[in-house]
Amino acid sequence: DQQVKQNSPSLSVQEGRISILNCDYTNSMFDYFLWYKKYPAEGPTFLISISSIKDKNEDGRFTVFLNKSAKHLSLHIVPSQPGDSAVYFCAASPFGDEKLTFGTGTRLTIIP
Amino acid sequence: KAGVTQTPRYLIKTRGQQVTLSCSPISGHRSVSWYQQTPGQGLQFLFEYFSETQRNKGNFPGRFSGRQFSNSRSEMNVSTLELGDSALYLCASSLAGGVGELFFGEGSRLTVL
Repeated sequence: DQQVKQNSPSLSVQEGRISILNCDYTNSMFDYFLWYKKYPAEGPTFLISISSIKDKNEDGRFTVFLNKSAKHLSLHIVPSQPGDSAVYFCAASPFGDEKLTFGTGTRLTIIP
Repeated sequence: KAGVTQTPRYLIKTRGQQVTLSCSPISGHRSVSWYQQTPGQGLQFLFEYFSETQRNKGNFPGRFSGRQFSNSRSEMNVSTLELGDSALYLCASSLAGGVGELFFGEGSRLTVL
């Protein structure tokens, strides 16, 4: 049972435009959410996080939105740059839990 | 500051063998987690150690085990390897575990023939 779902395995976006990556979850106990970025042959690197007490968190070009009622979060990247081409994983955990539940990832390709 | 180091980076084993993977966390980090990444399954949590104690375990069979040493280095072991164990095994460290950022190593890619 996939508790964190990323339904788009891949996404292509023109350089300079907005990239929107989506993630849905089913476990109502999740209240902390993270996005990780992974390049080939490297481990995932942390991008941005959000707790359930907020509905938006920004860090430079990256913004994460959380809709608790819909159990949905999204990552916006604007403007998209070629270096953003990578696989993006959404992850979630209950507060204070050491275990992260990851989605299956979305491969983002930025077209120059 | 050195990152998370995993060894070996690549290895090939045959069915029935056992394997040990090693992870050295970032200096000062006391929590080490292990994840398995396979195509189509994303990253799946194996277990997490803090101060030599396993605090959390994922839904994997008992063939998968781990331990943490007093210097926070960790090892995971898979016994009686199966073809389906072929995967990228990722280790991540954090200061104290719980809610917060994980720092991942580059992974150990295991191929079982």
